[in-house]
Amino acid sequence: EVQLVESGGGLVKPGGSLKLSCAASGFTFSSYAMSWVRQSPEKRLEWVAEISSGGSYTYYPDTVTGRFTISRDNAKNTLYLEMSSLRSEDTAMYYCARDRSFAYWGQGTLVTVSA
Amino acid sequence: ETTVTQSPASLSVATGEKVTIRCITSTDIDDDMNWYQQKPGEPPKLLISEGNTLRPGVPSRFSSSGYGTDFVFTIENTLSEDVADYYCLQSDNMPYTFGGGTKLEIK
Repeated sequence: EVQLVESGGGLVKPGGSLKLSCAASGFTFSSYAMSWVRQSPEKRLEWVAEISSGGSYTYYPDTVTGRFTISRDNAKNTLYLEMSSLRSEDTAMYYCARDRSFAYWGQGTLVTVSA
Repeated sequence: ETTVTQSPASLSVATGEKVTIRCITSTDIDDDMNWYQQKPGEPPKLLISEGNTLRPGVPSRFSSSGYGTDFVFTIENTLSEDVADYYCLQSDNMPYTFGGGTKLEIK
Protein backbone atom coordinates (compact mmCIF):
# COMPACT_ATOMS: atom_id res chain seq x y z
CA GLU A 1 0.00 0.00 0.00
CA VAL A 2 1.35 3.40 -0.98
CA GLN A 3 1.82 5.67 2.03
CA LEU A 4 3.02 9.26 2.19
CA VAL A 5 3.37 10.90 5.60
CA GLU A 6 4.19 14.58 5.86
CA SER A 7 5.64 16.32 8.90
CA GLY A 8 7.33 19.55 9.91
CA GLY A 9 4.50 22.03 9.62
CA GLY A 10 3.75 24.65 12.24
CA LEU A 11 3.39 28.32 13.06
CA VAL A 12 6.12 30.60 11.72
CA LYS A 13 6.52 34.36 11.55
CA PRO A 14 6.65 36.24 8.24
CA GLY A 15 10.16 36.09 6.85
CA GLY A 16 10.84 32.84 8.69
CA SER A 17 11.83 29.41 7.46
CA LEU A 18 10.53 25.89 7.76
CA LYS A 19 11.49 22.47 6.43
CA LEU A 20 8.86 19.88 5.61
CA SER A 21 9.44 16.15 5.22
CA CYS A 22 7.48 13.40 3.52
CA ALA A 23 8.21 9.76 4.36
CA ALA A 24 7.26 7.37 1.58
CA SER A 25 6.57 3.64 1.70
CA GLY A 26 4.80 0.93 -0.26
CA PHE A 27 6.46 1.66 -3.59
CA THR A 28 9.90 2.08 -5.14
CA PHE A 29 10.45 5.70 -4.15
CA SER A 30 13.50 6.18 -6.35
CA SER A 31 11.47 5.38 -9.49
CA TYR A 32 9.01 8.24 -9.24
CA ALA A 33 9.02 11.99 -9.60
CA MET A 34 7.52 13.66 -6.54
CA SER A 35 5.77 16.93 -5.94
CA TRP A 36 4.54 19.25 -3.22
CA VAL A 37 1.05 20.70 -3.57
CA ARG A 38 -0.56 23.16 -1.19
CA GLN A 39 -4.16 24.03 -0.41
CA SER A 40 -5.01 27.45 0.93
CA PRO A 41 -7.62 28.06 3.63
CA GLU A 42 -9.91 29.12 0.76
CA LYS A 43 -9.40 25.59 -0.62
CA ARG A 44 -7.47 26.69 -3.69
CA LEU A 45 -4.96 24.06 -4.84
CA GLU A 46 -1.52 25.06 -6.09
CA TRP A 47 1.41 22.93 -7.26
CA VAL A 48 4.59 24.31 -5.66
CA ALA A 49 7.48 22.01 -6.59
CA GLU A 50 8.50 18.86 -8.44
CA ILE A 51 11.68 16.80 -8.34
CA SER A 52 12.73 14.11 -10.78
CA SER A 53 13.12 10.51 -9.64
CA GLY A 54 16.89 10.77 -9.31
CA GLY A 55 16.81 14.26 -7.85
CA SER A 56 18.73 15.95 -10.66
CA TYR A 57 15.90 18.15 -11.89
CA THR A 58 13.65 20.47 -9.93
CA TYR A 59 10.80 22.72 -11.02
CA TYR A 60 8.86 25.51 -9.34
CA PRO A 61 6.15 28.02 -10.19
CA ASP A 62 7.09 31.70 -10.09
CA THR A 63 5.24 32.18 -6.78
CA VAL A 64 7.87 30.21 -4.85
CA THR A 65 10.98 30.28 -7.06
CA GLY A 66 13.97 31.42 -5.06
CA ARG A 67 12.23 30.82 -1.74
CA PHE A 68 11.38 27.09 -1.78
CA THR A 69 13.76 24.20 -2.42
CA ILE A 70 12.63 20.64 -3.03
CA SER A 71 15.02 17.76 -2.42
CA ARG A 72 14.95 14.04 -1.78
CA ASP A 73 16.95 11.27 -0.14
CA ASN A 74 16.25 8.07 -2.03
CA ALA A 75 18.21 6.02 0.51
CA LYS A 76 15.81 7.19 3.22
CA ASN A 77 12.68 7.23 1.01
CA THR A 78 12.08 10.81 2.06
CA LEU A 79 11.08 13.98 0.25
CA TYR A 80 11.77 17.48 1.60
CA LEU A 81 10.63 21.03 1.07
CA GLU A 82 12.70 23.85 2.49
CA MET A 83 10.79 27.10 2.68
CA SER A 84 12.29 30.49 3.43
CA SER A 85 11.18 34.13 3.34
CA LEU A 86 7.72 32.90 4.20
CA ARG A 87 4.74 35.16 3.63
CA SER A 88 1.19 35.13 4.92
CA GLU A 89 0.01 33.88 1.54
CA ASP A 90 2.10 30.73 2.04
CA THR A 91 -0.31 29.68 4.78
CA ALA A 92 -1.76 26.38 3.62
CA MET A 93 -1.96 22.64 4.06
CA TYR A 94 1.07 21.17 2.31
CA TYR A 95 0.79 17.76 0.67
CA CYS A 96 3.39 15.58 -0.96
CA ALA A 97 2.15 13.72 -4.01
CA ARG A 98 3.49 11.04 -6.30
CA ASP A 99 4.14 11.50 -10.02
CA ARG A 100 2.85 13.99 -12.54
CA SER A 101 -0.80 13.12 -12.10
CA PHE A 102 -0.55 13.29 -8.28
CA ALA A 103 -1.87 9.74 -8.10
CA TYR A 104 -1.23 9.46 -4.36
CA TRP A 105 -1.28 12.11 -1.65
CA GLY A 106 -0.31 12.25 1.98
CA GLN A 107 -2.62 13.59 4.69
CA GLY A 108 -0.80 16.91 4.69
CA THR A 109 0.98 19.14 7.19
CA LEU A 110 -0.33 22.59 8.07
CA VAL A 111 1.87 25.65 7.69
CA THR A 112 0.66 28.91 9.22
CA VAL A 113 2.57 32.12 8.58
CA SER A 114 1.52 34.78 11.03
CA ALA A 115 3.04 37.35 13.37
CA GLU B 1 0.98 29.66 -17.84
CA THR B 2 -2.17 27.68 -18.64
CA THR B 3 -5.23 28.99 -16.85
CA VAL B 4 -7.93 26.46 -15.97
CA THR B 5 -11.48 27.76 -15.63
CA GLN B 6 -13.79 25.34 -13.83
CA SER B 7 -17.58 25.61 -13.68
CA PRO B 8 -19.90 25.62 -11.90
CA ALA B 9 -18.45 26.62 -8.52
CA SER B 10 -21.21 24.67 -6.81
CA LEU B 11 -24.19 22.55 -7.64
CA SER B 12 -26.93 20.66 -5.86
CA VAL B 13 -28.53 17.57 -7.33
CA ALA B 14 -30.86 14.81 -6.18
CA THR B 15 -29.57 11.28 -5.84
CA GLY B 16 -29.77 9.46 -9.15
CA GLU B 17 -29.28 12.59 -11.21
CA LYS B 18 -26.39 13.33 -13.56
CA VAL B 19 -23.62 15.78 -12.66
CA THR B 20 -21.57 17.64 -15.24
CA ILE B 21 -18.51 19.74 -14.45
CA ARG B 22 -16.54 21.59 -17.09
CA CYS B 23 -12.93 22.79 -17.28
CA ILE B 24 -11.68 25.06 -20.01
CA THR B 25 -7.96 25.65 -20.47
CA SER B 26 -6.35 28.76 -21.94
CA THR B 27 -3.93 26.67 -24.04
CA ASP B 28 -4.18 23.36 -25.88
CA ILE B 29 -3.22 20.59 -23.44
CA ASP B 30 -4.04 17.54 -25.60
CA ASP B 31 -5.75 15.17 -23.15
CA ASP B 32 -3.53 15.91 -20.16
CA MET B 33 -6.40 16.59 -17.78
CA ASN B 34 -6.92 14.93 -14.41
CA TRP B 35 -9.92 14.92 -12.08
CA TYR B 36 -9.93 14.71 -8.30
CA GLN B 37 -12.48 14.22 -5.54
CA GLN B 38 -11.89 15.71 -2.09
CA LYS B 39 -14.04 14.88 0.89
CA PRO B 40 -13.90 16.95 4.10
CA GLY B 41 -10.75 16.38 6.12
CA GLU B 42 -9.13 14.26 3.42
CA PRO B 43 -6.56 14.90 0.69
CA PRO B 44 -7.70 14.96 -2.94
CA LYS B 45 -8.15 11.57 -4.54
CA LEU B 46 -7.33 10.99 -8.20
CA LEU B 47 -10.38 9.62 -10.01
CA ILE B 48 -9.46 10.08 -13.65
CA SER B 49 -5.97 10.61 -15.07
CA GLU B 50 -4.62 11.84 -18.41
CA GLY B 51 -6.28 10.39 -21.46
CA ASN B 52 -9.64 10.17 -19.68
CA THR B 53 -8.41 7.06 -17.87
CA LEU B 54 -10.50 5.85 -14.94
CA ARG B 55 -8.26 4.89 -12.02
CA PRO B 56 -8.42 1.34 -10.66
CA GLY B 57 -11.17 0.88 -8.11
CA VAL B 58 -13.05 4.04 -9.10
CA PRO B 59 -16.73 3.35 -9.87
CA SER B 60 -17.72 3.45 -13.53
CA ARG B 61 -20.37 6.11 -12.84
CA PHE B 62 -17.46 8.55 -13.00
CA SER B 63 -16.20 9.48 -16.47
CA SER B 64 -14.64 12.30 -18.43
CA SER B 65 -14.20 13.46 -21.98
CA GLY B 66 -12.42 16.16 -23.84
CA TYR B 67 -9.32 17.10 -25.79
CA GLY B 68 -7.52 20.33 -26.45
CA THR B 69 -9.10 23.05 -24.35
CA ASP B 70 -12.56 21.82 -23.37
CA PHE B 71 -13.07 19.04 -20.81
CA VAL B 72 -16.09 17.55 -19.09
CA PHE B 73 -16.36 15.40 -15.98
CA THR B 74 -19.55 13.43 -15.44
CA ILE B 75 -21.13 11.50 -12.59
CA GLU B 76 -24.03 9.28 -13.66
CA ASN B 77 -26.61 8.25 -11.08
CA THR B 78 -25.15 10.41 -8.30
CA LEU B 79 -25.05 8.82 -4.85
CA SER B 80 -25.08 10.57 -1.48
CA GLU B 81 -21.48 9.40 -0.95
CA ASP B 82 -20.42 11.56 -3.91
CA VAL B 83 -20.81 14.73 -1.82
CA ALA B 84 -17.39 16.35 -2.12
CA ASP B 85 -15.35 19.01 -3.82
CA TYR B 86 -14.12 18.20 -7.31
CA TYR B 87 -11.07 19.65 -9.02
CA CYS B 88 -9.47 19.41 -12.43
CA LEU B 89 -5.70 19.65 -13.01
CA GLN B 90 -3.80 20.20 -16.22
CA SER B 91 -0.49 18.30 -16.26
CA ASP B 92 0.54 19.15 -19.81
CA ASN B 93 2.93 21.97 -19.00
CA MET B 94 4.47 23.67 -16.01
CA PRO B 95 3.34 25.20 -13.86
CA TYR B 96 0.70 22.53 -13.42
CA THR B 97 -2.54 24.35 -12.69
CA PHE B 98 -5.80 23.42 -11.01
CA GLY B 99 -9.32 24.56 -11.61
CA GLY B 100 -11.01 26.49 -8.84
CA GLY B 101 -13.12 23.56 -7.69
CA THR B 102 -16.79 22.54 -7.69
CA LYS B 103 -18.70 21.86 -4.50
CA LEU B 104 -21.26 19.09 -4.99
CA GLU B 105 -24.20 18.84 -2.61
CA ILE B 106 -27.15 16.48 -2.54
CA LYS B 107 -30.66 17.92 -2.29
